[in-house]
Parts: sequence; C-alpha cells; structure tokens
Amino acid sequence: EVQLVQSGAEVKKPGESLKISCKASGYRFTSYWIGWVRQMPGKGLEWMGIIYPSDSDTRYSPSFQGQVTISADKSISTAYLQWSSLKASDTAMYYCARPPGFADFLFDYWGQGTPVTVSS
Amino acid sequence: EIVLTQSPGTLSFSPGERATLSCRASQSISSSYFAWYQQKPGQAPRLLIYGSSSRATGIPDRFSGSGSGTDFTLTISTLEPEDFAVYYCQQYGDSPTFGGGTKVEI
Repeated sequence: EVQLVQSGAEVKKPGESLKISCKASGYRFTSYWIGWVRQMPGKGLEWMGIIYPSDSDTRYSPSFQGQVTISADKSISTAYLQWSSLKASDTAMYYCARPPGFADFLFDYWGQGTPVTVSS
Repeated sequence: EIVLTQSPGTLSFSPGERATLSCRASQSISSSYFAWYQQKPGQAPRLLIYGSSSRATGIPDRFSGSGSGTDFTLTISTLEPEDFAVYYCQQYGDSPTFGGGTKVEI
C-alpha cells in the first residue's frame, strides 16, 4: 500500500529556516516523481514543484522558483520541502503527493499535510 | 502560465440533483492532461478524473468529466450527501496549475 507520511505541524518566526519531510513507503521511491502542493488558509490548491528521486531532476512552478527548495534522500525514501527565510505569507498547509505512474504531474496519492504557521 | 478559472465559486444543490461544474483555461490544453479533484474539510484532495474523462480508481460512476480545448466540465449525475465538498480542476502539462475551486454546498 502506497503511503506518504508527513512531518508534524511547525510554528516558526519570520526569517527562520524550515525543512519539512514526506516519508514514502509501499513502492519503489526512485521510480516515481513526488511533489508538493500549498494550500493557504481558506484558499485553493497551488502546485509548487516536483522531484524525481532517482536523478534529483526537479521542476518548480514559476511562482515558487527561488522561494523554496525541493530535495529527496533516496536512502530513506523521503522527500523534503525547505525554506531558508520564512515569511508570514508562507503560513499554509503543505501536502506532498505522488503521481499514479502514467502521468508525471498528476497526483493520485497524498500525504496527510503539514501545517506551517509563521508568526512573530 | 495557464490560468484555470472555475466559476461560480459556490453552487447550491439538494441531494439527488444533478451538478455541473465548469473550468475554463486561459489557453487551449490537451484533454489528456486535465483532471478534477475533490476535497472535503480537513482532508487531503482526492483524484476523481484524469485525462478529462477517465475515472480514477474507486470513483463512483456518478462522476463524469468531459471537455476539450479551453472548456471542461465535471458532472455529478445524482448528488449524494458525501459529494458536498470543494472541487478543483487541474491541468498537468509541463507547468501544472490548479483552478481556484468550486464549493458544492447543500
């Protein structure tokens, strides 16, 4: 069974750094892309970016290029989303998600979400 | 970037009614790269439709998708109580984007 288990809720101050994780199981981690989606409070879904763990090929939405870094550690089947300097506007729920295999940028399996709060 | 517009933002129905949701793209997209998701409060989204008209695994046949070019539609033939939720469209071409969502309320 495919499972994506995300790290827990985070409360940070503006300017701080953060790295959240998504632990995958139930499939070969290096054979599928894995991506991230943002949902700001009361708002819609935003496609942030995606990584292919086998070769670390990473694609970002233009809206998120330079704002976040997506990475993966093949040895522990875990994907990451990180910020070097958080802003209050980064407050949101972040989901990791995996495609079904026949379409790289479509998401069929989802993590439970990691809520991030950035406040002074 | 392709902008997907879902309007109206909220639709009101009674259980048993037929619901038709629309999504319009700012430029023509391949129907092979168009999807619909459902999201309930406090839950992650769930994939309903991919390739504009193919149902994802386990999705009831009361959900159907259609469309091409810039106009796509999700139809729920007979609304069940569990169908009241927010629905998002997505194009998953080279630079994927989501629509803003339509809330289907009672």
